[in-house]
Amino acid sequence: DTEVTQTPKHLVMGMTNKKSLKCEQHMGHRAMYWYKQKAKKPPELMFVYSYEKLSINESVPSRFSPECPNSSLLNLHLHALQPEDSALYLCASSRFLGVTNEKLFFGSGTQLSVL
Amino acid sequence: DAKTTQPNSMESNEEEPVHLPCNHSTISGTDYIHWYRQLPSQGPEYVIHGLTSNVNNRMASLAIAEDRKSSTLILHRATLRDAAVYYCIRHQGAQKLVFGQGTRLTINP
Repeated sequence: DTEVTQTPKHLVMGMTNKKSLKCEQHMGHRAMYWYKQKAKKPPELMFVYSYEKLSINESVPSRFSPECPNSSLLNLHLHALQPEDSALYLCASSRFLGVTNEKLFFGSGTQLSVL
Repeated sequence: DAKTTQPNSMESNEEEPVHLPCNHSTISGTDYIHWYRQLPSQGPEYVIHGLTSNVNNRMASLAIAEDRKSSTLILHRATLRDAAVYYCIRHQGAQKLVFGQGTRLTINP
C-alpha cells in the first residue's frame, strides 16, 4: 500500500464553522506534512510532524491547528477561516524527516472553499 | 535561496523526447535534486531524484551537470498522460521540501 488517503475530497465551509481535514497512510512513514496550494501556484509547506511531534510550523495562522494522533494519522483542524484560505490542502508522508534522498508520497488533496 | 529556476512552460509532441531543464546554481554538495510532477486535479507525484551521476527509472531519466548547477529531466517518449506541471526541487535536508514555480508541460497529439 503506497497510498496517502485524504478526506474529504471537497469541503465548503462558512467563516464561523469548525471542520477537520484527515490524512492517513499505512506505509510506516514517520514524517507527515501539510501543504497548501492556491490555484496555478506551487504547494507551500505549512506543518511537518516527525514521530508524531510537530517539527515545523511555517508561521501558519492559529486558525489552522494540526494534530498527529498516531503514526498513521494526520489531522488539520480549521476554525474561523477566511475566504482567502480557500485552496487545495495536500497531505504527504515520507519514511523520515530531514534525509535528502527521501521521497514524499502525496495524497490527492482536499479542495476547500470558504464562503 | 533554496529555490530552483525552471521555464514557466514547454510544449512537445506525442511520442517525442522531452528535455525539461532546471537551474540550481547555489546547490551544495549534499543536496539531492528531486523531480515531482502534478497532473490536473492530483497531488504531486515523485518522478526521480539524484545527487551527482545520471539516474534512470521506469518513468524518466535525470541528467545532472558535472558542476551540479543544473539538471535535465528527460521523458524519452512523451504521451498525453505526461501533460503536467513538473517541479525541480533542491532537497537540502533542512527538514523541508520547497517547491519552485515548476514547468507546465503541454503534449500535442
